[in-house]
Amino acid sequence: EAEVAQSPRYKITEKSQAVAFWCDPISGHATLYWYRQILGQGPELLVQFQDESVVDDSQLPKDRFSAERLKGVDSTLKIQPAELGDSAMYLCASSLNPGLAGPDTQYFGPGTRLTVL
Amino acid sequence: GQNIDQPTEMTATEGAIVQINCTYQTSGFNGLFWYQQHAGEAPTFLSYNVLDGLEEKGRFSSFLSRSKGYSYLLLKELQMKDSASYLCAVLDSNYQLIWGAGTKLIIKP
Repeated sequence: EAEVAQSPRYKITEKSQAVAFWCDPISGHATLYWYRQILGQGPELLVQFQDESVVDDSQLPKDRFSAERLKGVDSTLKIQPAELGDSAMYLCASSLNPGLAGPDTQYFGPGTRLTVL
Repeated sequence: GQNIDQPTEMTATEGAIVQINCTYQTSGFNGLFWYQQHAGEAPTFLSYNVLDGLEEKGRFSSFLSRSKGYSYLLLKELQMKDSASYLCAVLDSNYQLIWGAGTKLIIKP
């Protein structure tokens, strides 16, 4: 069964350092999402890509966060510099048919648990 | 604003039935999803409703009433492995997924 791949699974860093997360969506999925999830809350969308283009990054803190999907396949999310409040689970998801009739189900990778000390 | 409400936590007994409710107020509606999320893991897809009524999938069923802005997830014959958080999410008019905070379900023997 096809899965969304993410790495690393866990990351511990000190504040002011740079961190990067990688995601490889399910093959053929044009849409890729990066979410942040704080314990006890639902996922919060950070950025959505359609192929290599950004569809929505309204909730991305652009002073420190950046995301790219250069070839429209895998993607990298970067935080520089990391702050204590960035400690959370970072989830990547992908979907096949955004905006079309029928369920546009998002499938999630295992996530990266970030701890900022 | 857009809002999705779910109970924070529920407790049920192994072998029993539990119903997790979700009410929503969103700008438009293009479907409602339920996801299961075990502690420390990613959400996994459970069900999708876009028309009113009940969708049954094994031990899990999901119901939708669009006029009431209401859905529920029904879990039958509860097993210990069903202990998890259950997330309700609505696809709004812009096809953006609006997430609830999730309901933590605790199953007791």
